[in-house]
Amino acid sequence: GDSVTQMEGPVTLSEEAFLTINCTYTATGYPSLFWYVQYPGEGLQLLLKATKADDKGSNKGFEATYRKETTSFHLEKGSVQVSDSAVYFCARMNTGFQKLVFGTGTRLLVSP
Amino acid sequence: DAGITQSPRHKVTETGTPVTLRCHQTENHRYMYWYRQDPGHGLRLIHYSYGVKDTDKGEVSDGYSVSRSKTEDFLLTLESATSSQTSVYFCAISESGQNDNSPLHFGNGTRLTVT
Repeated sequence: GDSVTQMEGPVTLSEEAFLTINCTYTATGYPSLFWYVQYPGEGLQLLLKATKADDKGSNKGFEATYRKETTSFHLEKGSVQVSDSAVYFCARMNTGFQKLVFGTGTRLLVSP
Repeated sequence: DAGITQSPRHKVTETGTPVTLRCHQTENHRYMYWYRQDPGHGLRLIHYSYGVKDTDKGEVSDGYSVSRSKTEDFLLTLESATSSQTSVYFCAISESGQNDNSPLHFGNGTRLTVT
């Protein structure tokens, strides 16, 4: 079935380091891809999205490119901040009204 | 923040007791969802609603029921709580279903512990 696989965390970085969180998805249909972020004690918030191959989603310095050839949607940020500490979820959704399938989440810890 | 309120925020209950969680929205969105979040599983869809009195099952619906008598309220009921239902429950809403032009907005969650 449809699934999303994320790298296990936690990912521990120092402030201003480069971030990559890997995400791969099953290659069924033509899914839209998403990154959601969950700050402590809160619900998930949409961070960015891409709806077709080669699209790049970006927001708040984060980027992810929809790579159909490698079925990947890795999240990157050039210089992380302490305030970026959160859990990041990759998700996929087929076109039309289908359920949103989430990965297991990756916790990011950024130290000063 | 989208106007989503979940209540209660925390609940401890005993095995076998009924529990109802409430989700209230002020956005007048048509679609509402209940997810549970567990370590190693991410978020999994329990039930969803696409209108008043219109609901359907998600991937982990066993042991749960839902009701939606008004646009703004979506109730999740555990008829007889079990320890496996200890989890964090999230309500989400969207304006026009789960498509790429209508992202989900989440509430802040309800932490349920079944002892």
